Amino acid sequence: GQQLNQSPQSMFIQEGEDVSMNCTSSSIFNTWLWYKQDPGEGPVLLIALYKAGELTSNGRLTAQFGITRKDSFLNISASIPSDVGIYFCAGGTTGGFKTIFGAGTRLFVKA
Amino acid sequence: GAVVSQHPSWVICKSGTSVKIECRSLDFQATTMFWYRQFPKQSLMLMATSNEGSKATYEQGVEKDKFLINHASLTLSTLTVTSAHPEDSSFYICSARDEGRYGYTFGSGTRLTVV
Repeated sequence: GQQLNQSPQSMFIQEGEDVSMNCTSSSIFNTWLWYKQDPGEGPVLLIALYKAGELTSNGRLTAQFGITRKDSFLNISASIPSDVGIYFCAGGTTGGFKTIFGAGTRLFVKA
Repeated sequence: GAVVSQHPSWVICKSGTSVKIECRSLDFQATTMFWYRQFPKQSLMLMATSNEGSKATYEQGVEKDKFLINHASLTLSTLTVTSAHPEDSSFYICSARDEGRYGYTFGSGTRLTVV
């Protein structure tokens, strides 16, 4: 079945540093989504990407939909303590609207 | 907009009993909702796709007789864990898509503990 490889699994950074994480797949997706999940909560959508090559920003977050449609990255600039959480990438397919999730990247920010 | 309410947020039940979890779209109609299961420190695994007015579509390996899904209206889907066992303890999350936007809105999740 379709799988997403998300890396890194975890990151320990200093406040103010930039962060980059990515997802790759052997399958093509028609949309890429990035979510953040806080402990005990459901994921919250950060950025949605609709077409290959698209680069979208949301505040300090920037994400890109890879040209091959098989990958995406998320950058967080000038990290702050509240950025701590688990970040998931998700690939969306056409028709059935199924969303396949990556394994997540755990971000730890030290003040 | 696009708020999904999930209830209860946590539940503890005895082995052998059944538990119902509700997922409601509060400000939009959702013909399709999704149910996920998440184990500690793991990603979300899609269990089933809930379709309003018709049978749910289950992912491979998910027992449909154990995880009963009912999507009786455009704003409500329920997941019933029947004859629950300790191994069913997990974090269950629903999501729904507002037709007017992309991306899926998730509920806040239900922590199920079976003792």
